[in-house]
This record gives sequence, C-alpha cells and structure tokens, in this order.
Amino acid sequence: DAGVIQSPRHEVTEMGQEVTLRCKPISGHNSLFWYRQTMMRGLELLIYFNNNVPIDDSGMPEDRFSAKMPNASFSTLKIQPSEPRDSAVYFCASSFLGANEKLFFGSGTQLSVL
Amino acid sequence: GQQLNQSPQSMFIQEGEDVSMNCTSSSIFNTWLWYKQDPGEGPVLLIALYKAGELTSNGRLTAQFGITRKDSFLNISASIPSDVGIYFCAGQLSNAGKSTFGDGTTLTVKP
Repeated sequence: DAGVIQSPRHEVTEMGQEVTLRCKPISGHNSLFWYRQTMMRGLELLIYFNNNVPIDDSGMPEDRFSAKMPNASFSTLKIQPSEPRDSAVYFCASSFLGANEKLFFGSGTQLSVL
Repeated sequence: GQQLNQSPQSMFIQEGEDVSMNCTSSSIFNTWLWYKQDPGEGPVLLIALYKAGELTSNGRLTAQFGITRKDSFLNISASIPSDVGIYFCAGQLSNAGKSTFGDGTTLTVKP
C-alpha cells in the first residue's frame, strides 16, 4: 500500500490567494483526519470524517477554512482567502474506525503564505 | 477539553544511553498511543496501549499505560542516532473517533 498521499508537498502563496490541499487516504480506511502542526500550537485536529461524513469540525479555525470528502478515496482542505498566520504543516491521516484509531499520517503539506 | 502534558520538552543524550519520557492527562483515556516524527515526515505509530497497567515492547522501545489511566510512559533503551526525532503521545476515548496529542518530546542523540 502506498500509504496516505498528500499533495502538494510544498505550497508557497501570497496572502489572499486560495489554497487547496489534497489527500488520498489508505484504501479501506473509513476515517480521515486533517491536522495542522505549528511550533506554537503543536498538532491540532482541524476536522475529521467517518464514512465521508464530517463528524467534528470544531477545530477549524474560522470560516476561511473548509474541508470536503466527496468519496472514500479523496479529501480536500481549502483556505480562502489565505493569511500569513495560516503558514504551517498540514497533515492528513486515515484510520479504520473500530481498530482503536491507529492513525496513519501522510507526509504533510508545508504551506507558506507570504 | 482534554489536555496532555508531555515531558521533557527536549532531550540531548549520548548514543547508547537510555531515554524516558512521559505523558500526563487531566482526564482518563482508554487508549494511549506513541508516535515518532522524523524531520519532514508525518508521525508514525510506534506502540499502542489498550489496558490500564499494560506494558508493551517494540524492539528497544517499551511503553506503559498508567494504572490511573491518566498517564503513559515511553522508554528507549540503548539509543542510536536514528532515534532522533519528535515523540508524541496521544490519548483516545473509546468511540470518540479522534486522538488528543501531546506537544512532543524532541530527542537529539549525539554519536
């Protein structure tokens, strides 16, 4: 298995631009998580899905952030408009609900908003 | 909400030394997990613990689920340079569907 695949690996954009991060979970996994990692705040859960349905989005910072999971093999995290304080590493992780939630993380997207 | 306090924040040790780190919570968890993050990569699961008092090993790594269910410990024996990275603890409640992560312990191993 290729593991969780995220794209792009690096994204540099200007303030105000729209940013879309992509994730392909491990085949057969039914839960998908978006995390953000910064030096100041560590690993923060933004949102997670079970069976493509958003379950908890309480970690989404504000309305500029949105996430979708149109099918079991694809999810996006969108920031519009982006701001410099959104600069962070964004991780996608997947798991099989009922397997004690062992998370399998992607390699992350390093986002820099100038 | 639940908070995990992970300590120490960082460690600088000599190759061959043993390492101990721990994680404490303000509330109980039913599952404790330990992850390692290498530079430029996502965290990778090392050990999962499911029962209070459980002691589990994975090679040179040993982790324990605290009896109070509010803490967990990770030990690394005979450290080697490739042990360098950030170690995270994470706690879960059953059926909660999400993990709460500690702030990580950054380990540096000097050859």
